[in-house]
Amino acid sequence: GENVEQHPSTLSVQEGDSAVIKCTYSDSASNYFPWYKQELGKRPQLIIDIRSNVGEKKDQRIAVTLNKTAKHFSLHITETQPEDSAVYFCASPLPGKLIFGQGTTLQVKP
Amino acid sequence: DAMVIQNPRYQVTQFGKPVTLSCSQTLNHNVMYWYQQKSSQAPKLLFHYYDKDFNNEADTPDNFQSRRPNTSFCFLDIRSPGLGDAAMYLCATSRTRQTRTSGIYNEQFFGPGTRLTVL
Repeated sequence: GENVEQHPSTLSVQEGDSAVIKCTYSDSASNYFPWYKQELGKRPQLIIDIRSNVGEKKDQRIAVTLNKTAKHFSLHITETQPEDSAVYFCASPLPGKLIFGQGTTLQVKP
Repeated sequence: DAMVIQNPRYQVTQFGKPVTLSCSQTLNHNVMYWYQQKSSQAPKLLFHYYDKDFNNEADTPDNFQSRRPNTSFCFLDIRSPGLGDAAMYLCATSRTRQTRTSGIYNEQFFGPGTRLTVL
């Protein structure tokens, strides 16, 4: 079955710096890779996703890159702000469901 | 606004006392999921319904059951809660079920969760 590894588990950056979170997956047939943001005590919310037919997708300060050969995808946040502080989860699909990574706690220091 | 609603937001129960958590959706999505999330961990899928088709995860304890009486509602029943069942329970929906070959990509919409405390 699919296995998703996410690193790092915690990440602390200064406001304005960039943050990168990486996930690796095992199933070469996986075709959809979402990233969810979960603020403390709140629901996970989709912030960006990428499909396997593209290598990069950007939405303002966030971007996701996909390397199908190496089977990894990364979330990039530029110009980080304190409100970016949250837990971020990557995910990879199996039929009928998503397999979530272990999560990365991002702390942005003012 | 279309959304996923969970009730109650906080539930306290006693060890061994059955409890039911509720989820409703106005998105008219075909798929509804129940996740258990413990502190600092990823959501763990318990089961999902694709329309009326129930799909249980292999490692979901028998203590957890679910009902989906109609498209809009889905319930999570915990028959005999133990201390280890204290967690956030998240309901989610998606328009249809993720597949590989059909090119369907499905965002999951999460409810706000119910935090369960077991005394």
